[in-house]
Amino acid sequence: GDSVTQTEGLVTVTEGLPVKLNCTYQTTYLTIAFFWYVQYLNEAPQVLLRSSTDNKRTEHQGFHATLHKSSSSFHLQKSSAQLSDSALYYCALSGESGSFNKLTFGAGTRLAVCP
Amino acid sequence: GPKVLQIPSHQIIDMGQMVTLNCDPVSNHLYFYWYKQILGQQMEFLVNFYNGKVMEKSKLFKDQFSVERPDGSYFTLKIQPTALEDSAVYFCASRLGDTQYFGPGTRLLVL
Repeated sequence: GDSVTQTEGLVTVTEGLPVKLNCTYQTTYLTIAFFWYVQYLNEAPQVLLRSSTDNKRTEHQGFHATLHKSSSSFHLQKSSAQLSDSALYYCALSGESGSFNKLTFGAGTRLAVCP
Repeated sequence: GPKVLQIPSHQIIDMGQMVTLNCDPVSNHLYFYWYKQILGQQMEFLVNFYNGKVMEKSKLFKDQFSVERPDGSYFTLKIQPTALEDSAVYFCASRLGDTQYFGPGTRLLVL
């Protein structure tokens, strides 16, 4: 079956420094879409980034990610972490045909940005 | 962005009782989903629903589970009877296009 792996359960970074959250996947879908969701405390997960194009950088709110099908990865990065970025981040994939777009999630990475 | 509401936010019930989790999806969305997240684990797909029918369900969607959206009202997940292993956070999502929008979840504790 499909799987998404987020290797770090917790990432701690100092404010102003770069941060990278890793995401790799395995899938049998031919056409896929990838998402990063962010969940702040006691709130709903909300979509942060979306991509379905190989090797194209996607950006939003200072974060960016590039889907690399050759390495089965969709890592999330930011050049300068802010205190307000502290949250739980989920990587997820969906097939774009025949699956009604159910999402397969990674386990999540908690990002803690410290002063 | 679009908001999905879930009622209640927390529910505690005794094993064997029935529980109904309610979801108010985004008004013009057509596809609806339930996901289950056990404490410390990842969110897992339960079921999706379109045009009044279950389109796909996972092995987690046991016979005791059912979903419906009568007359465009709440999209509901009913568990009858509940079991201890049903304790989890249940997230509802709705979709138009390829992006799913999630509610904040209902925390269900079965005693």
